[in-house]
Amino acid sequence: DAKTTQPTSMDCAEGRAANLPCNHSTISGNEYVYWYRQIHSQGPQYIIHGLKNNETNEMASLIITEDRKSSTLILPHATLRDTAVYYCILRGDNYGQNFVFGPGTRLSVLP
Amino acid sequence: GAVVSQHPSRVICKSGTSVKIECRSLDFQATTMFWYRQFPKQSLMLMATSNEGSKATYEQGVEKDKFLINHASLTLSTLTVTSAHPEDSSFYICSANRDTEAFFGQGTRLTVV
Repeated sequence: DAKTTQPTSMDCAEGRAANLPCNHSTISGNEYVYWYRQIHSQGPQYIIHGLKNNETNEMASLIITEDRKSSTLILPHATLRDTAVYYCILRGDNYGQNFVFGPGTRLSVLP
Repeated sequence: GAVVSQHPSRVICKSGTSVKIECRSLDFQATTMFWYRQFPKQSLMLMATSNEGSKATYEQGVEKDKFLINHASLTLSTLTVTSAHPEDSSFYICSANRDTEAFFGQGTRLTVV
């Protein structure tokens, strides 16, 4: 079972920031927070991951609370192409492990 | 970045026939690959773990004789759906890990008629 909870769906206006929350209150000390997204009928795409520090790359920012029990993925300027299902996933430092997907958040970016 | 390629992207087959899906890691070697299945409006579910040079490991409830997995080389894993039935119609996705990330194929939409 997935160890994260996310809202089922969210809407965001095009050009505005999309803030996607994720709760992971039972996270272990060696577990990273990963975010993937899946555009309709495609394979999941990596977005970002982090352990405890905030992270930023060209796609998004990841804000992890100090107690690590929750995090927020931020897409700074959402476009219509960002409409997808976003998955927040915990994974330990065994890099040979598979990813366990929960239901994710269906983000709709509206014009 | 690393790329995982899956082929075919879409296939329609008749009931009772077999279908083979290929998953290749294009620019890295993968001793382990994963196969997932996704039904409409549902999340990805792990079916099996493919191990180069040894038998695949199947998740509970997945029939190993129906979903044959072969990991013949460090860059290729294949999933064969044998004696396909309409209830096998689904979106099949493979992945391989490199360093800290998992890279996913484009997926294969299987329709059994």
